[in-house]
Amino acid sequence: ELKVEQNPLFLSMQEGKNYTIYCNYSTTSDRLYWYRQDPGKSLESLFVLLSNGAVKQEGRLMASLDTKARLSTLHITAAVHDLSATYFCAVLNDYKLSFGAGTTVTVRA
Amino acid sequence: DTAVSQTPKYLVTQMGNDKSIKCEQNLGHDTMYWYKQDSKKFLKIMFSYNNKELIINETVPNRFSPKSPDKAHLNLHINSLELGDSAVYFCASSHVEGGLYPEAFFGQGTRLTVV
Repeated sequence: ELKVEQNPLFLSMQEGKNYTIYCNYSTTSDRLYWYRQDPGKSLESLFVLLSNGAVKQEGRLMASLDTKARLSTLHITAAVHDLSATYFCAVLNDYKLSFGAGTTVTVRA
Repeated sequence: DTAVSQTPKYLVTQMGNDKSIKCEQNLGHDTMYWYKQDSKKFLKIMFSYNNKELIINETVPNRFSPKSPDKAHLNLHINSLELGDSAVYFCASSHVEGGLYPEAFFGQGTRLTVV
């Protein structure tokens, strides 16, 4: 069974500093997704990574994928308050999109 | 235009009742999903349908019955609701076959409260 592990589960960030969220998965995957969820809201698609070495960036967020290590990272550069949310990674395998437990991010001044 | 729309957004009902949640996607995707998000935010897959066929059924009680009348719709009917069914249910869709459009999108969610 495909397992997806995220860490840390909680991340308190200081504004202006850099941080990384890690996502490990247990079997080969077709695609890896990153989502953001604000309280009481749906999941907003951030990135989808398809191949080894893929890197995507949007604003202060950058996601990368190492399929050999079965590891994806979400790097946050110079955190700002607007980035406070829960971030999920998810892996697609055999018509099943499996999620990590989520990382709750709080950005403080 | 909303890509994945589900109704209703909120549902409050008594134990023992039967209720349905509807989901529609206008993206031309071939695969649709139902997820349950509990109070700890964990997202657990319930069902996956590809081209109207049930592919994944993740040890969900028989009280939950999905129905996909066509590729664009996946509805969820729940019989004999229990307190433990209270959660947020999300519908999602993606195009699994062929990698041209790999994104997976989620509906707004249905917050079900069983009293």
